[in-house]
Order: sequence, then C-alpha cells, then structure tokens
Amino acid sequence: DTAVSQTPKYLVTQMGNDKSIKCEQNLGHDTMYWYKQDSKKFLKIMFSYNNKELIINETVPNRFSPKSPDKAHLNLHINSLELGDSAVYFCASSQEFTSGGYLEQYFGPGTRLTVT
Amino acid sequence: GEDVEQSLFLSVREGDSSVINCTYTDSSSTYLYWYKQEPGAGLQLLTYIFSNMDMKQDQRLTVLLNKKDKHLSLRIADTQTGDSAIYFCAENPGGTYKYIFGTGTRLKVLA
Repeated sequence: DTAVSQTPKYLVTQMGNDKSIKCEQNLGHDTMYWYKQDSKKFLKIMFSYNNKELIINETVPNRFSPKSPDKAHLNLHINSLELGDSAVYFCASSQEFTSGGYLEQYFGPGTRLTVT
Repeated sequence: GEDVEQSLFLSVREGDSSVINCTYTDSSSTYLYWYKQEPGAGLQLLTYIFSNMDMKQDQRLTVLLNKKDKHLSLRIADTQTGDSAIYFCAENPGGTYKYIFGTGTRLKVLA
C-alpha cells in the first residue's frame, strides 16, 4: 500500500503549456510539501500545507500554484511552463509538527517533468 | 546563508566503511537527519540525531555531531552494494516545518 503517491510519474510537455501534478497520502498526516530536485540533485522546498493551510511558500514563481482540496491531497499546478521548470518534483508528508520536535517526512516517488 | 554543504561523491569498496560529511548552518536545529535516495525513488529517512547528543549508533550506521563546528557525519560500516545511493543530511532551523537539505553525496560501492 503506497504511503505517498504522485501522478504522473513522467510528464513531457512543451513550453507555454499548463500542467498539474497530483499527490495523495494515506498516512493520516496533517502536513504536506512540494520539493523540486534539479539535475544536480539539489533539493529545495517549494511549498508546505498544514491542515489545508499554506505555511511555507518559498521564493517560487507565481506560475506555480499549490492546491490542497483536503488534508490527504496536495496538487501542484504550473502555468506557462518554461525550460527551467524541468526537474523532478517530490511530494512529501509528515505528522503535525511540534516546535522543536522531531519531524520525519515521507516522500513520494517523484514526478519527472521535462519541458521541451 | 542557507547552504548545507556535503561533498558530492564518495567511492568505496564493498566491506569497507563509508563516511559521509555534512556542514550545516543553523545551530537552532533541534534534530539533524540523514536521508537516502535510491535511483528513481524518493527520499527515505535513514537516521537522525538530537542536537544535544554527540553520537548515535543504529546497527551499521553511526552518526557523529560536532555542534561547535556545525559538522555532522554518517558512517556506514561494512558497506554493501545496496548502499549505493545519494545521501542527504537535513536540518530544520528554528525547529520549524522547513527542512533544508544538504547538497547530497553520491555513494558508489564497488564490488
């Protein structure tokens, strides 16, 4: 039973298109995240939602818009795709966090986005 | 700055020990973590250490923490070919939701 799942696994699209990546977790977690991993494997946080509320919003172009319809889902919509958006996008989830406490994140398998 | 630094590559022979180093940035991180990423997969938590500890041992894994120098290391004893992966250290400054991952170390284990 997959804990954090993402669809699609691969996405190839042309510049200027709009696309969405879906993420679902069945762990009962309250917090979900989107990360971007570039070709050098550097991993940067993009967004985080806790109980459907945005709590982390890093410096990300506003072409990227996360949407959390419920606690188990966090989707990522990208408008007007650019070549530089090509990367692997990871969704993750964790339990609700207590300040100063332990925080384990569970990652999905990733979505490889290629913009041509 | 927010860069958590790691050496990019490490190559070892099967059966040897591997030591992966990390220099983190924020002394307010309560916990420090090591994640493993196998090819084509997401990250998985390997181990972690509480910031008031110097060392933690977990089977083949030993984590050492030097808070003064903000230096974290992961030692893998008796390294196996299945340990070949990218290893990331991570901190969460101010004890918040926000993780900052290191640059990743690609470990290659030679048979």
